[in-house]
Amino acid sequence: DTGVSQDPRHKITKRGQNVTFRCDPISEHNRLYWYRQTLGQGPEFLTYFQNEAQLEKSRLLSDRFSAERPKGSFSTLEIQRTEQGDSAMYLCASSGGGAQPQHFGDGTRLSIL
Amino acid sequence: GEDVEQSLFLSVREGDSSVINCTYTDSSSTYLYWYKQEPGAGLQLLTYIFSNMDMKQDQRLTVLLNKKDKHLSLRIADTQTGDSAIYFCAESKVAGNMLTFGGGTRLMVKP
Repeated sequence: DTGVSQDPRHKITKRGQNVTFRCDPISEHNRLYWYRQTLGQGPEFLTYFQNEAQLEKSRLLSDRFSAERPKGSFSTLEIQRTEQGDSAMYLCASSGGGAQPQHFGDGTRLSIL
Repeated sequence: GEDVEQSLFLSVREGDSSVINCTYTDSSSTYLYWYKQEPGAGLQLLTYIFSNMDMKQDQRLTVLLNKKDKHLSLRIADTQTGDSAIYFCAESKVAGNMLTFGGGTRLMVKP
């Protein structure tokens, strides 16, 4: 069990650029979640998948954000036309479904110049 | 108001017990979790409790749940300097669904 893996760990980009983050969940986990955490705050839910189906999206997920999990394994989160307010830590978590708890990766820290 | 609330800061001496408190507003919260976050890292699951339980103990950690008052606490016995971190309380109303987090409590352990 290698845990939840996220790549890259850090991303610095200019305002207006597109960025894409990847998450590899724990191998037997069928549920995958994305959260965003700004400095000094708790994580806020963005979206989650069960296998390849995206089951729920937060109102925080504007139309500039898109998440995919094409084969029900790894997931990508893309932000188009980045804005200063997108600067945050993006956390991925996975679980085995049911009442099993979510396990988090170390996150991708996004900084917008 | 916030769905899950925590006090911002707690300072204890090494070897003492720490008690971190959390209140939540929705009585339908069924699953309650404690996570630990160290600087620059993700969240580490510490323990969790279901609403049909009042208490759960796991080594140095004790979770108490008061459903009537919608109050959750995490007690860390024999607190060590390595326990210094931010602790998050989180709740979920449905198994496997999104978590709603509190703002976190920063625990500082003084030698």
